[in-house]
Amino acid sequence: ETGVTQSPTHLIKTRGQQVTLRCSSQSGHNTVSWYQQALGQGPQFIFQYYREEENGRGNFPPRFSGLQFPNYSSELNVNALELDDSALYLCASSLEASGAREQFFGPGTRLTVL
Amino acid sequence: AQKITQTQPGMFVQEKEAVTLDCTYDTSDQSYGLFWYKQPSSGEMIFLIYQGSYDEQNATEGRYSLNFQKARKSANLVISASQLGDSAMYFCAMKRHSSASKIIFGSGTRLSIRP
Repeated sequence: ETGVTQSPTHLIKTRGQQVTLRCSSQSGHNTVSWYQQALGQGPQFIFQYYREEENGRGNFPPRFSGLQFPNYSSELNVNALELDDSALYLCASSLEASGAREQFFGPGTRLTVL
Repeated sequence: AQKITQTQPGMFVQEKEAVTLDCTYDTSDQSYGLFWYKQPSSGEMIFLIYQGSYDEQNATEGRYSLNFQKARKSANLVISASQLGDSAMYFCAMKRHSSASKIIFGSGTRLSIRP
């Protein structure tokens, strides 16, 4: 069974640029959630994708957008990067249909905005 | 609104001792789940234990147990016989039993195990 993978592991961008982060869900999982974790804080929910549709969104501006593909992998896109976007971005997959209580997290992408 | 509060930013414990990490939560929902995650310095969130709001017995997973007191809205994590590898950030979290699997996390407790 393949776990959740994320790419890249680290990324450095400058203000105003755009970034795309990628997540491959655990085998058999149809739901992917994205979280932003600023330094010294707990993760904050960005949004969730279930069967290629956005299925819930946290308090993040529209420049945070996402996609889910037919194989249930997902992308997080952030436009017009700001310094405060520097954080660890975590994705988590789950099998929503079973009412799964667990979300399995990937290792994260550490984004630095200069 | 849902909220998780972890009042211990950091804790030091001697190896092999038991440790309790505090967590209180606030919700108006009747049906919810409570979680504890471990986050080592590598960054990955590792699921430790789950407690459903309707579960009558406290959850246990190996050395981890969850002391669930529903009336007090507390969900403390107890780690028995702590090990050096337990040094990490620990997050308490909560999820509504609804369609979107949004998990609300606390601010975390950094646990350091002394040899």
